[in-house]
Amino acid sequence: GDSVTQMEGPVTLSEEAFLTINCTYTATGYPSLFWYVQYPGEGLQLLLKATKADDKGSNKGFEATYRKETTSFHLEKGSVQVSDSAVYFCALLYGGATNKLIFGTGTLLAVQP
Amino acid sequence: DVKVTQSSRYLVKRTGEKVFLECVQDMDHENMFWYRQDPGLGLRLIYFSYDVKMKEKGDIPEGYSVSREKKERFSLILESASTNQTSMYLCASNGGAASYEQYFGPGTRLTVT
Repeated sequence: GDSVTQMEGPVTLSEEAFLTINCTYTATGYPSLFWYVQYPGEGLQLLLKATKADDKGSNKGFEATYRKETTSFHLEKGSVQVSDSAVYFCALLYGGATNKLIFGTGTLLAVQP
Repeated sequence: DVKVTQSSRYLVKRTGEKVFLECVQDMDHENMFWYRQDPGLGLRLIYFSYDVKMKEKGDIPEGYSVSREKKERFSLILESASTNQTSMYLCASNGGAASYEQYFGPGTRLTVT
């Protein structure tokens, strides 16, 4: 079945470092792909999305490109801040009218000043 | 501003108790979802509802039931709570086939002793 695999955490970086969080997927057809972020004590919120191959989603300095050939959607940011400390979830859209999401296990990012 | 609210942030219940978790959204969304979030497992879908009084099982429905009597409210019921249901429970909603983004509540951390 469809699934999402993302890198294990925690990822610990110093402020202004470059961030990459890897995400790969297995799916029949061509799903839409998402990154959600969960700040401490809060629910998840959509960070960015890409709905077809070669699309690049971007928001708040984060980017991810939908790579069909490698079935990947890696999250990147050029210069992280302490305020980016959170759990990041990669997800794919299961499809159909109800828009069910399949999530990865989440990656905790800790940014130190 | 879109809003999904959950009745409690923290809840402590005893084994065997019947537990109700309530979720309300103010966006007139058709679809509502209940997930549980556990370390290393990410988010797993328990149940979802695509209309009033309509429901479908997710990936881990055992030990849970749901109720949706009104469009804005989706309840998760633990008929007889057990310690392995200690978890973070997240509610989400979205607006149907044309809407990808799911909006999440802040979560309820349930402890069953």
